[in-house]
Amino acid sequence: GQNIDQPTEMTATEGAIVQINCTYQTSGFNGLFWYQQHAGEAPTFLSYNVLDGLEEKGRFSSFLSRSKGYSYLLLKELQMKDSASYLCAVFLLSGTDKLIFGTGTRLQVFP
Amino acid sequence: DSGVTQTPKHLITATGQRVTLRCSPRSGDLSVYWYQQSLDQGLQFLIQYYNGEERAKGNILERFSAQQFPDLHSELNLSSLELGDSALYFCASSVDSPYEQYFGPGTRLTVT
Repeated sequence: GQNIDQPTEMTATEGAIVQINCTYQTSGFNGLFWYQQHAGEAPTFLSYNVLDGLEEKGRFSSFLSRSKGYSYLLLKELQMKDSASYLCAVFLLSGTDKLIFGTGTRLQVFP
Repeated sequence: DSGVTQTPKHLITATGQRVTLRCSPRSGDLSVYWYQQSLDQGLQFLIQYYNGEERAKGNILERFSAQQFPDLHSELNLSSLELGDSALYFCASSVDSPYEQYFGPGTRLTVT
């Protein structure tokens, strides 16, 4: 079966750094997406990792280790507007074109 | 604004009824995906269409069906509705797989 694990909730302080982890066990793997979703809104794309390593995009970075079935999203210089759910999603092998989402990590940023 | 539109925004209906949700993808995107998001649940992939053809199926119930039309807009039909079908239904589009998906604002369905 397909299994994606993320912590349910995290809290952090404005200006700090937070790391949101995601582990996955899937039959077939083609890449990993991170999405941000504010309450009641649509998810918005943050990053897509296919190869091992760190991808940096402004205040957000995403890391992938395919051999360990592990990814993390790193958020730096946290702002209040970063309070949202962060969804990890695994893209399965081509031919199925399925994107399997984790249940998301709800991040609360406090002043 | 992602460029993906969904109608209606809200829908309230009774058990046993049938509804149709509509999605227009971003200009140039050939793939359309449908997702269901219930309270306290993650996004559940339902089905994907690519250029009019069904490409992938997820946890879509037999009571649900979808199609993508020649102009690339898509419709999700939900029939014999049950209370448990109350959820946010998102449509997303992408140029192709596995490119980033752009999500529409969603349709909130309430079954009473």
